[in-house]
Amino acid sequence: EVQLVESGGGLVQPGGSLRLSCVVSGFTFSYYEMIWVRQAPGKGLEWVSYISSSGNSIHYADSVKGRFTISRDNAKNSLYLQMNSLRAEDTAVYYCARVLGQQSLYFDYWGQGTLVTVSS
Amino acid sequence: EIVLTQSPATLSLSPGERATLSCRASQSVSSYLGWYQQKPGQAPRLLIYDASKRATGIPARFSGSGSGTDLTLTISSLEPEDFAVYYCQQRNSWPLTFGQGTRLQIK
Repeated sequence: EVQLVESGGGLVQPGGSLRLSCVVSGFTFSYYEMIWVRQAPGKGLEWVSYISSSGNSIHYADSVKGRFTISRDNAKNSLYLQMNSLRAEDTAVYYCARVLGQQSLYFDYWGQGTLVTVSS
Repeated sequence: EIVLTQSPATLSLSPGERATLSCRASQSVSSYLGWYQQKPGQAPRLLIYDASKRATGIPARFSGSGSGTDLTLTISSLEPEDFAVYYCQQRNSWPLTFGQGTRLQIK
């Protein structure tokens, strides 16, 4: 069974940092591209970042570029999102998701999400 | 950036009726469009990719059509479990973008 489990969310002050983790099981992690998507309370979905299977290709949304860093550890079946200089508008549920197939850039398995709240 | 505009924002229908949801792109996405369903408190679920291909396990009542700037998701006969929010997403170019969603509610 494919599973993705996010962790690391919580309450942080503006300007602070958090590191989200996504541990996966049930598939060969090193074969798959991965992404982070977020959803502000009561709002729609926003793509945040993408990483290739090897980690050599990375993309970010303009809204987080220069502040967030995506990475992965294929030996640990883990995906990460380092979030720095957090702002109130970063408040959201953050989902990790698996990309459907090589370069397909659709997302077929998702985690349950972890809530990040940026507030003083 | 490709902007996806979904319409209507809210659609009120009864079980058994046909639902037609629209996704209009600010520039061509070719056939590189997906559709997701999201229920309250749950992660999104991939329904359709490449405009018309059903994802694994998705019932045949869900179908996608269109290309270019006008794409459609059709649910042929609504089941009670289909009432949810639906999002389109393009993968034609970076950044990846989602539409704002269509809420399908019971009439």
